Amino acid sequence: EAQVTQNPRYLITVTGKKLTVTCSQNMNHEYMSWYRQDPGLGLRQIYYSMNVEVTDKGDVPEGYKVSRKEKRNFPLILESPSPNQTSLYFCASSWTRSGELFFGEGSRLTVL
Amino acid sequence: AQTVTQSQPEMSVQEAETVTLSCTYDTSESDYYLFWYKQPPSRQMILVIRQEAYKQQNATENRFSVNFQKAAKSFSLKISDSQLGDAAMYFCAYRTHYGGSQGNLIFGKGTKLSVKP
Repeated sequence: EAQVTQNPRYLITVTGKKLTVTCSQNMNHEYMSWYRQDPGLGLRQIYYSMNVEVTDKGDVPEGYKVSRKEKRNFPLILESPSPNQTSLYFCASSWTRSGELFFGEGSRLTVL
Repeated sequence: AQTVTQSQPEMSVQEAETVTLSCTYDTSESDYYLFWYKQPPSRQMILVIRQEAYKQQNATENRFSVNFQKAAKSFSLKISDSQLGDAAMYFCAYRTHYGGSQGNLIFGKGTKLSVKP
């Protein structure tokens, strides 16, 4: 089954404790991206990747890191999480930077 | 910059009836994609329907269809024979077709659809 898989789905952590949200897709997509969804602000792009070893900042990259060492994986790293990073996070992928974007199931992160 | 506007924060429909959700957008591009995504209480983002701007024919997926008016920059979603499972937040979204962009989806603020039994 074609899918984008994120883990963990739910996480409560404390300020400053590094965490990684994994994302994997099995569709051989070249393009991958991370979004965060917040009430009143909608979905905003954090980082995106056009291909292996090619990543770039989206609209709200501060406090986040990403890597793309393999085509299928695109982890989101919060080096020192803060409460303003409490949000619902989505990983998404597509064949190119246009066309349909496939979303993961979302990861709800709470930073205390 | 492109923008997407959904003017109906909430809508309600009776089961088995038809409802139309509105979406307008602003762009100077001639080629792009438009989408409707559904977000149920589970929070997953589910693609409902897509439309490529260069195609004049309106997209249809079972009970879901769109009215795409390119000149008016309008992209409404019609849900026929509404079912309880259609209750969700619906997002209209725009994505450019051109290279050189960051490839992000530009979302509207969403319309919350309730379905009454």
